Amino acid sequence: EAQVTQNPRYLITVTGKKLTVTCSQNMNHEYMSWYRQDPGLGLRQIYYSMNVEVTDKGDVPEGYKVSRKEKRNFPLILESPSPNQTSLYFCASSSDLVGVNEQFFGPGTRLTVL
Amino acid sequence: RKEVEQDPGPFNVPEGATVAFNCTYSNSASQSFFWYRQDCRKEPKLLMSVYSSGNEDGRFTAQLNRASQYISLLIRDSKLSDSATYLCVVNMPDSGNTPLVFGKGTRLSVIA
Repeated sequence: EAQVTQNPRYLITVTGKKLTVTCSQNMNHEYMSWYRQDPGLGLRQIYYSMNVEVTDKGDVPEGYKVSRKEKRNFPLILESPSPNQTSLYFCASSSDLVGVNEQFFGPGTRLTVL
Repeated sequence: RKEVEQDPGPFNVPEGATVAFNCTYSNSASQSFFWYRQDCRKEPKLLMSVYSSGNEDGRFTAQLNRASQYISLLIRDSKLSDSATYLCVVNMPDSGNTPLVFGKGTRLSVIA
């Protein structure tokens, strides 16, 4: 089944404790992206990647890192999480190089930073 | 400037009603337009792409008005299962980092 998976689905952590949210897709998509979704603010892009070893900042990259060592995986890293990073996070992938075609979303990761 | 504006709702409509959502976008060079559906606490999923000539998929009709820079979604014969948030999505060429901009969504509740 074609899908985007994310882990963990739910995470409660404390300020400053490094964490990684994994994202994997099995559709051989070039483009992958991370979004956060907050009430009243909608979906905002954090980082995206157009290919292996190619990543770039979205609209809200501060406090986040990503890597793209393999085509299928695009982990999101919070080196020192803070409470304002409490949010619902979605990973997405797309078959075109710049992400303007349909994006397939993972199920989401609900993160709470205390 | 890259903006996609939607009426947040909620739209509360009875079963069987026809409901329409509009969405305005700021970039006249935009070329790709979509409607996504998002159920509560779930991921967004593509409902339909919006083509210049308009397109229809069963009870759903999408229209594009380039001159006024808006797209619309019409839902006929609303079902309880149509209750969700509908996201308008537009590409923003030359906008810098973000190729696709998502609206904040319009919430629809279909009531029995």
